Amino acid sequence: GENVEQHPSTLSVQEGDSAVIKCTYSDSASNYFPWYKQELGKRPQLIIDIRSNVGEKKDQRIAVTLNKTAKHFSLHITETQPEDSAVYFCAATRNTNAGKSTFGDGTTLTVKP
Amino acid sequence: NAGVTQTPKFQVLKTGQSMTLQCAQDMNHNSMYWYRQDPGMGLRLIYYSASEGTTDKGEVPNGYNVSRLNKREFSLRLESAAPSQTSVYFCASSDASRGAYEQYFGPGTRLTVT
Repeated sequence: GENVEQHPSTLSVQEGDSAVIKCTYSDSASNYFPWYKQELGKRPQLIIDIRSNVGEKKDQRIAVTLNKTAKHFSLHITETQPEDSAVYFCAATRNTNAGKSTFGDGTTLTVKP
Repeated sequence: NAGVTQTPKFQVLKTGQSMTLQCAQDMNHNSMYWYRQDPGMGLRLIYYSASEGTTDKGEVPNGYNVSRLNKREFSLRLESAAPSQTSVYFCASSDASRGAYEQYFGPGTRLTVT
């Protein structure tokens, strides 16, 4: 089955700096790669996603890049703010009716004011 | 639009007791999922259902059963709870049959087994 590895497990940055989280996946049939943000005590919520026919996608301060050949994708957050502090999960999904996703173990991002 | 709802929010069980976690979604999604989340372990898939009447095992199905009661509802049952099942349980849904793979999560159930 699919295996998703996520690094780093913790990341601490100063407010205003950039943060980068990286994921690798094993199943070349995966073609949808979402990123979820989970604030303390809350549910995971989608912040950005990318499909395999696209190399990069941007939404204001967040961007995701995908390298299908190398089977890795990354989340980039620029101009970080304290409210960006949360756990971030990447996932890889195959194009099936079930839409089953395999999640990475998460990255705890702390943005220091 | 309530999205995905779960009951109960919190539960404490003794070893060997049974319980059912309830999940419902009002978005007309075909796919539904049950995950458990342990510290530092991310979200691990227990069971999923691609459509009403079908269920499949995920990564960690042992000790659990599920029922897809109808399109809206997907329940998770622990027949004989064990301390290793102490976790936060999330239900989620998606419209995967239409190519929309974003998963919408419920608020979670925090389960402690003593």
